[in-house]
Amino acid sequence: AQSVTQPDIHITVSEGASLELRCNYSYGATPYLFWYVQSPGQGLQLLLKYFSGDTLVQGIKGFEAEFKRSQSSFNLRKPSVHWSDAAEYFCALSYTRGTYKYIFGTGTRLKVLA
Amino acid sequence: KAGVTQTPRYLIKTRGQQVTLSCSPISGHRSVSWYQQTPGQGLQFLFEYFSETQRNKGNFPGRFSGRQFSNSRSEMNVSTLELGDSALYLCASSFGGSAGDTEAFFGQGTRLTVV
Repeated sequence: AQSVTQPDIHITVSEGASLELRCNYSYGATPYLFWYVQSPGQGLQLLLKYFSGDTLVQGIKGFEAEFKRSQSSFNLRKPSVHWSDAAEYFCALSYTRGTYKYIFGTGTRLKVLA
Repeated sequence: KAGVTQTPRYLIKTRGQQVTLSCSPISGHRSVSWYQQTPGQGLQFLFEYFSETQRNKGNFPGRFSGRQFSNSRSEMNVSTLELGDSALYLCASSFGGSAGDTEAFFGQGTRLTVV
């Protein structure tokens, strides 16, 4: 069965430090992969997506993610974290082209220290 | 360009009642999906509608139902509410169609509290 694993429930980093949030997926073929961010009480905002092609994907707010087929991973990175990045981050996959039935990971809550 | 609009934003209902939530997708989008978000279960897919037809359904009991209108607006209904139905219900809209190479845009959600 398809699944998404985010191993880190909470991550704390200092402002200005680099960030990497891990995401592993289970699916026999190449899925569509997404990273969303959710601020408290808000909906989900798309950071970036991978459908095919270049395995290094650039997103909004300075985020990027790298798709590694051999490791079944799609880790999210940012070189320098800002206090406003504090939020919950969700990795998601879609395995059926043309539909929007997403499987989400459990999320990683990011805390940023001033 | 207006985003996905969900109404109401907050709702308090009593156990046993029913509730209807509304979602207006982004103009031009024909697919609407619904998700339930709870602290214990995370984000779970409820169902997806495209051109007024249910295209996918998650593993929820029949008390959860939905529909989509000709203008792509969607409603979901939960009957005989249980305490465990308390959650943030998120709606997502997408272009849909056979291409599928597009992402879903989420609304801010409706916070349902069942007492």
